[in-house]
Amino acid sequence: NAGVTQTPKFQVLKTGQSMTLQCAQDMNHNSMYWYRQDPGMGLRLIYYSASEGTTDKGEVPNGYNVSRLNKREFSLRLESAAPSQTSVYFCASSEGGAAEAFFGQGTRLTVV
Amino acid sequence: EDQVTQSPEALRLQEGESSSLNCSYTVSGLRGLFWYRQDPGKGPEFLFTLYSAGEEKEKERLKATLTKKESFLHITAPKPEDSATYLCAAPGAGSYQLTFGKGTKLSVIP
Repeated sequence: NAGVTQTPKFQVLKTGQSMTLQCAQDMNHNSMYWYRQDPGMGLRLIYYSASEGTTDKGEVPNGYNVSRLNKREFSLRLESAAPSQTSVYFCASSEGGAAEAFFGQGTRLTVV
Repeated sequence: EDQVTQSPEALRLQEGESSSLNCSYTVSGLRGLFWYRQDPGKGPEFLFTLYSAGEEKEKERLKATLTKKESFLHITAPKPEDSATYLCAAPGAGSYQLTFGKGTKLSVIP
């Protein structure tokens, strides 16, 4: 049972490049989330998908887009990367909004 | 505004020296208080959920408790392998957004 799987684990981008972070969960959870974690800032929610077919903005959505491809998969896209998007990105899933979330291992992204 | 505040930011303990970590929250309509452990380079690992004041949960050397305004993570006779950052989080009322504290970095020295 893999839980939440993120790819890639590491990525370096040049300013202005685009990329998509992939996330898949095998726990049959309804809700999925993308967070970023920065030193001194804690975990901040970028976007979430309460259920298949829906997506909503979190605390820090600017510069990102998401797609809930199916119940298992939730991707995060950076259309034009900026140095301020250098961070560690975590995908998570939960049964619902008030339930505990389970996290992937993270993607460490550096934008130069 | 929903807020979750953890203290201390960092804690150094000798092996076997018990202590507590604090998580205070100002979340309207609390629907759970979650504790996570995060090791360097890894994602947060779920530990406990507490739903009501007076509730307690235990796992090995860890015990989490909840009052109306704060939660404590008690660590009894810690070992070096308990070294990690401990995060607490709470969902806001009527939302899917978890508000996380900034964490307490625990170091247990042999």
